[in-house]
Amino acid sequence: DTAVSQTPKYLVTQMGNDKSIKCEQNLGHDTMYWYKQDSKKFLKIMFSYNNKELIINETVPNRFSPKSPDKAHLNLHINSLELGDSAVYFCASSRLGPGRGYTFGSGTRLTVV
Amino acid sequence: TQLLEQSPQFLSIQEGENLTVYCNSSSVFSSLQWYRQEPGEGPVLLVTVVTGGEVKKLKRLTFQFGDARKDSSLHITAAQPGDTGLYLCAGGPYGGSQGNLIFGKGTKLSVKP
Repeated sequence: DTAVSQTPKYLVTQMGNDKSIKCEQNLGHDTMYWYKQDSKKFLKIMFSYNNKELIINETVPNRFSPKSPDKAHLNLHINSLELGDSAVYFCASSRLGPGRGYTFGSGTRLTVV
Repeated sequence: TQLLEQSPQFLSIQEGENLTVYCNSSSVFSSLQWYRQEPGEGPVLLVTVVTGGEVKKLKRLTFQFGDARKDSSLHITAAQPGDTGLYLCAGGPYGGSQGNLIFGKGTKLSVKP
């Protein structure tokens, strides 16, 4: 069983479209995250959710909205896609507490054309 | 803004050589984690260090957390082609929530047979 699974693996779409990326974890972790990895491989946090509450919301455009139907899922919805949104998006999860390691999904490569 | 600087950015060595990767900051961290990422996959946690001066060994990999909790190093002995990948350090700042894990920009290691 995959611990953190995200779909789709690849997503190619046109500017202006709305798309969603789904993420599920079966580890029983308390917190889930979305990270964006740019072309230079820099990982930057976008959102994290703990018990359905948004606890971090970095300065990302409000076109990005996380949605968590339950503790095991954190989906990412993106409105009005722009060329600059092209990147690899990673979902991750962890238990609460300092020093807790993250378990990452395998990523979604988003290409906006 | 807390930053983690990794060096070197790129490293290409022959099988059997030793190497050290550094992760430095002017800020103090509550914990420091090391991840390895392979192409097309998400980062995978290698180790977490939480105590200043702590040294952890994972087979041929040795991780050290600086006494002042501002820096860390990863040493690989007798590198093998299977060690090839992107090595990322990530720090949990004091007073920050669990989701505020800060990543360095990575060291891309290539081990040639």
